[in-house]
Amino acid sequence: DTGVSQNPRHKITKRGQNVTFRCDPISEHNRLYWYRQTLGQGPEFLTYFQNEAQLEKSRLLSDRFSAERPKGSFSTLEIQRTEQGDSAMYLCASSLAGWGLANQPQHFGDGTRLSIL
Amino acid sequence: TQLLEQSPQFLSIQEGENLTVYCNSSSVFSSLQWYRQEPGEGPVLLVTVVTGGEVKKLKRLTFQFGDARKDSSLHITAAQPGDTGLYLCAGAWRGSTLGRLYFGRGTQLTVWP
Repeated sequence: DTGVSQNPRHKITKRGQNVTFRCDPISEHNRLYWYRQTLGQGPEFLTYFQNEAQLEKSRLLSDRFSAERPKGSFSTLEIQRTEQGDSAMYLCASSLAGWGLANQPQHFGDGTRLSIL
Repeated sequence: TQLLEQSPQFLSIQEGENLTVYCNSSSVFSSLQWYRQEPGEGPVLLVTVVTGGEVKKLKRLTFQFGDARKDSSLHITAAQPGDTGLYLCAGAWRGSTLGRLYFGRGTQLTVWP
């Protein structure tokens, strides 16, 4: 299967610890997105990369959050000094860039479920 | 505030019934996508609609994009237990140039045998 891959699938950690998640997009996709989803809500946009450039960040992405995509392939999302409010499903999606930017479908991974104790 | 409002939030029906889920906004979207999500998994793309008034069919599912590209609907005919899941609409807002998606809160559909 060559879909979007996310690791780990689940992460349980104590408040105040740092966590890092990884996303491997579909290989030919040059756009990569991070979303966060809490119970009873749809996914909310966090940040977006085109190749290695981080082009947009939501105000949801506080200074405790950092995302990288160093070689334009996989991406990592790090949360420092985790808080209980960070408990959520973190979803990664990828898409192709092209004319008609908004019309390229985004394909999602199965997410990383983060639980803060 | 949600850019996209979905209704109903919950829907519980018997196998064989028909249903419609609505996705509404006061904003215009360049395109709108429908996803289905199972517990513990990521959303799976069902369809993308791009043109105002467009209708797309996927077996028993019919998707419509409003003429003004502000709303969409999903109609399921003769629902089956396998249709159970969270249905999400997501729009690429015309005012955004970067393709980020704005999601509704979803409609949780349960189809009983």
